[in-house]
Amino acid sequence: EVQLVESGGGLVQPGGSLKLSCVASGFTFSDYWMSWVRQAPGKGLESVGNIKQDGSETYYVDSLRGRFTISRDNAKNSLYLQINSLRVEDTALYYCARDFSSGGGFYHWFDPWGQGTLVTVSS
Amino acid sequence: EIVLTQSPATLSLSPGERVTLSCRASQSVRSFLAWYQQKPGQTPRLLIYDASNRATGIPARFSGSGSETDFTLTISSLEPEDFAVYYCQQRIAWPLTVGGGTMVEIK
Repeated sequence: EVQLVESGGGLVQPGGSLKLSCVASGFTFSDYWMSWVRQAPGKGLESVGNIKQDGSETYYVDSLRGRFTISRDNAKNSLYLQINSLRVEDTALYYCARDFSSGGGFYHWFDPWGQGTLVTVSS
Repeated sequence: EIVLTQSPATLSLSPGERVTLSCRASQSVRSFLAWYQQKPGQTPRLLIYDASNRATGIPARFSGSGSETDFTLTISSLEPEDFAVYYCQQRIAWPLTVGGGTMVEIK
């Protein structure tokens, strides 16, 4: 069974840092692009960024570039999101998501998703 | 980056009604657009990919159409379980981006 399990969220003060993790199982992690998507309470989904299979390419949405860093460790089947200089508006549920797989091919749709880890930024 | 604009923000409908949701891209995404459904307290679920292909297990009442910059998700007859928020996503350019969502609520 394919599983993505995020962790590392919690309550952080503004200006602080946090590193989120996503552990994958049930598939060959190193075969897939991976992504982070976040959702503020009561709000819509917001793409954070994406990382290539070997970690050599990363992409971020314009509004978040600079404070967010996506990385991965294929030996540990793990995806990471480092967030620095946290702001109140970064409060959100952070999901990791895998590329969609169908018919032996891989496509940049988000499927499946993890259950998310909640980051709360507050003083 | 490509901006996806969904409209309307909210739709109030009754079970059995036909619903059409719109997603407009700031530049052409050809047919590389997907739709997701998210119910309260749940993770998003892939419904439609490549503009018109239903994902595994998605009922036939869901259909997608469109190309380039204008896309539509249609639910032919709303079931009670279809009341949710729907998002579109493009994959033609990095970073992958998601629209702001349309909430389909019970009237």
